[in-house]
This record gives sequence, C-alpha cells and structure tokens, in this order.
Amino acid sequence: QKEVEQNSGPLSVPEGAIASLNCTYSDRGSQSFFWYRQYSGKSPELIMFIYSNGDKEDGRFTAQLNKASQYVSLLIRDSQPSDSATYLCAVKSGGSYIPTFGRGTSLIVHP
Amino acid sequence: NAGVTQTPKFQVLKTGQSMTLQCAQDMNHNSMYWYRQDPGMGLRLIYYSASEGTTDKGEVPNGYNVSRLNKREFSLRLESAAPSQTSVYFCASRQTGTGNSPLHFGNGTRLTVT
Repeated sequence: QKEVEQNSGPLSVPEGAIASLNCTYSDRGSQSFFWYRQYSGKSPELIMFIYSNGDKEDGRFTAQLNKASQYVSLLIRDSQPSDSATYLCAVKSGGSYIPTFGRGTSLIVHP
Repeated sequence: NAGVTQTPKFQVLKTGQSMTLQCAQDMNHNSMYWYRQDPGMGLRLIYYSASEGTTDKGEVPNGYNVSRLNKREFSLRLESAAPSQTSVYFCASRQTGTGNSPLHFGNGTRLTVT
C-alpha cells in the first residue's frame, strides 16, 4: 500500500513569514512529486512538480526533494493571506498511471 | 482552451435515482481519472482510464461505472445513488500514462444524495 503522509494542520503563519509544508511517502520507487493548492470550494491546481533530488524554485515557492529520506517539502516565502488554502502533496511511481495523494495540509496566513 | 470541463456543477438526487457525471478535456490527454473528495478523507480514486478504450478500478469503485466514450470524454455513472455517495467529484486528465506529467482537474461536481 503506497502511502503519502501530510500533517493536516492547520499551519498558521504571519504574513511575510516562510511557510514550510512537509510530505513523506512510503514507496521508494516514487519518481514524480507534485504540490497542488486547493482553495475552499475549488478544485486542486498545480503549483510545482519536482523529479530530482534537491531544490526547485519558482517565484516565492521552493520544492525540496530528498529521496533517501523519502520526503518532499514546499516552502512559501513572504507568505500572503491569499496563500491560505489546503496544500496537497502527490507522488507517482515510475510505471504507474496513478498519483497517490496525501490528505493535505491547511495553511492559514494571518495579517 | 477550456481544459477539463465537468457537468453539472451541482446535483441533488434522491436515494435510488441514477445519474451520469460528464467530463471532457480539450488538451489531447491520454489518461483520465475520476476522484471523490470528502472532508478529512482527501482525494480518493474511483476509476481511471489509462488510454482510450481502457478503464480500471481505483480505490473506491463500488456503486459506480465509467465509460471512456472517446479520447476527450470520460463519464461516471451512479446507477442507484446512496447517501454515502454524497461528495464532491473531480475529473482529471494527464498528458501521458506512466510519465511524469501532472494531473489537470476540472471544477468539480457537488453531489448530494438525500
């Protein structure tokens, strides 16, 4: 059984701070890692994906992957109230058609 | 481009009624998926279609059927709705089957079964 674990939160951070969201996974064959943002009542939207160990930056967002320790994280710099949402981690193994989702972490950025 | 389009957006059914949720994508994606999302449960895969002409069960297929009508369209049918099927349903598509491409989601259908 492939598992993807996320702390459900809520994670509360002040405006302007760095928000750190973490995700661990059980399948060592995992090759693709995705972060989705989901606002309340809306559908998930892709923020970032990462395939290789290390960091990947896109604007205020940085994804970090450590395959040896089986975790992937998302850092949001200069957090804004508009970043308040649920963040879903998804992991896919090579040769599989199906990404496995974590249950998501709720982020609250307060002014 | 519209991306992934789901209809209807909202639906209320009585127990025992049937309905079909429609999904269409205009991105020429091979793989399509149906998920349900319930509070505290995350996204759970109902059925998926790796490519046109194929369908496979996911984690929670009981009470549902699917049809991959063509490359663009993937429908989900509830033959006899039950209150346990009250949920938000998302259709999604991906460019390739086993590759690294991400899922693209539709806007969801909010279904209530009374």
